[in-house]
Amino acid sequence: DAKTTQPPSMDCAEGRAANLPCNHSTISGNEYVYWYRQIHSQGPQYIIHGLKNNETNEMASLIITEDRKSSTLILPHATLRDTAVYYCIVRVSERSRGRRALTFGSGTRLQVQP
Amino acid sequence: KAGVTQTPRYLIKTRGQQVTLSCSPISGHRSVSWYQQTPGQGLQFLFEYFSETQRNKGNFPGRFSGRQFSNSRSEMNVSTLELGDSALYLCASSFSVRDTEAFFGQGTRLTVV
Repeated sequence: DAKTTQPPSMDCAEGRAANLPCNHSTISGNEYVYWYRQIHSQGPQYIIHGLKNNETNEMASLIITEDRKSSTLILPHATLRDTAVYYCIVRVSERSRGRRALTFGSGTRLQVQP
Repeated sequence: KAGVTQTPRYLIKTRGQQVTLSCSPISGHRSVSWYQQTPGQGLQFLFEYFSETQRNKGNFPGRFSGRQFSNSRSEMNVSTLELGDSALYLCASSFSVRDTEAFFGQGTRLTVV
């Protein structure tokens, strides 16, 4: 699975959009971009995933560049409860090549400030 | 729908002992994965089970083992505990027949003294 690079930490003001970048320059054509987050002392929580089109759900938006070498997770109106470590993960689709474990990097520690 | 349930939530064991942790996946999910999280190594994959068969294994010693039952519930066992086994052990379940997310439990916090 492709490696990802994320900034170790970011701050965001409450109510503002949080934009979390991720570089995955070695991504392959059949690899998806997944985002998870982990709030302190809890298990990771799935946020969103995508292949090449931008995706949006009730939690966030995922913007993937046209060359797919980077992506940005957007939390449109960050709240204090969004303070967490955010992980960007790249892995193959289960459909295309069996199952692959999630490989978590160090993630980005997002601190939402009041 | 109930989430992934892990028991116990907290556990203290002595070096050399063995421990068994339990995970009940979301109803209908047939795949269960286990992860170890420590401050130094982060989240690391242990193994995955699907339909009672181990499908994938991480880079951990043989002291770490697991199994899955016909109702998809899973257990992991660690024998001859070492201080370095102190960690948060997380279980994740997924439906496994389509490209989808994994749902994690709250984890079991194991402390080896």
